[in-house]
Amino acid sequence: QVQLQESGPGLVKPSETLSLTCTVSGGSISGNYWTWIRQPPGMGLEWIGYIYYTGSTNYNPSLKSRVTMSLDTSKNQFSLKLSSVTAADTAVYYCARRGYDFWRGRGTDYFDYWGQGTLVTVSP
Amino acid sequence: QSVLTQPPSVSAAPGQKVTISCSGSNSNIENNYVSWYQRLPGTAPKLLIYDNNKRPSGIPDRFSGSKSGTSATLGITGLQTGDEADYYCGAWDSSLSAWVFGGGTKLTVL
Repeated sequence: QVQLQESGPGLVKPSETLSLTCTVSGGSISGNYWTWIRQPPGMGLEWIGYIYYTGSTNYNPSLKSRVTMSLDTSKNQFSLKLSSVTAADTAVYYCARRGYDFWRGRGTDYFDYWGQGTLVTVSP
Repeated sequence: QSVLTQPPSVSAAPGQKVTISCSGSNSNIENNYVSWYQRLPGTAPKLLIYDNNKRPSGIPDRFSGSKSGTSATLGITGLQTGDEADYYCGAWDSSLSAWVFGGGTKLTVL
């Protein structure tokens, strides 16, 4: 059973960079798209972006200028960096897996495994 | 404001049936696959329905999904107290070039 676990600071100061890591267990980084999704308090889910196991990325256009994702295949981990944060970036951050659909020859249209989420608060 | 629109809450008695709607547009629901997720309190979100109406292994057939035009629906029959959770719909949006989700629906089993 694939499991994902987010880790990182729970408090970040405004204008600084938010950094989170997701550790994947029970499965390999290879062959999948590794995704970050967040949920601000009282609001819906927001897709941040994903990184394919090859290293290629696709970010939400609304966040693209501030987002960087990376992989560490030796540790079965992937990471998120979000720069110049403000209070609007306060949210529960989830990591999730988007698989590969061999029949369609592309990524699946869903996220099949999620982490429990970690709350990141942006405050002085 | 979420791109996909869901009712904030629904409720029904144990054993009854409930439906949760998800309304979008031709750039997301109408022309792309819809998925549904369940988030029980304090747990990771779980995939319930994918590709509009398919259930992953281990998801009971009490859960069903359907789509018509720019709207999708999650149905749950034989409600149990353990179904109390937040439910989210999601789809790719071809205009925004991003995945979009609903604001979530809180299910209460009275």
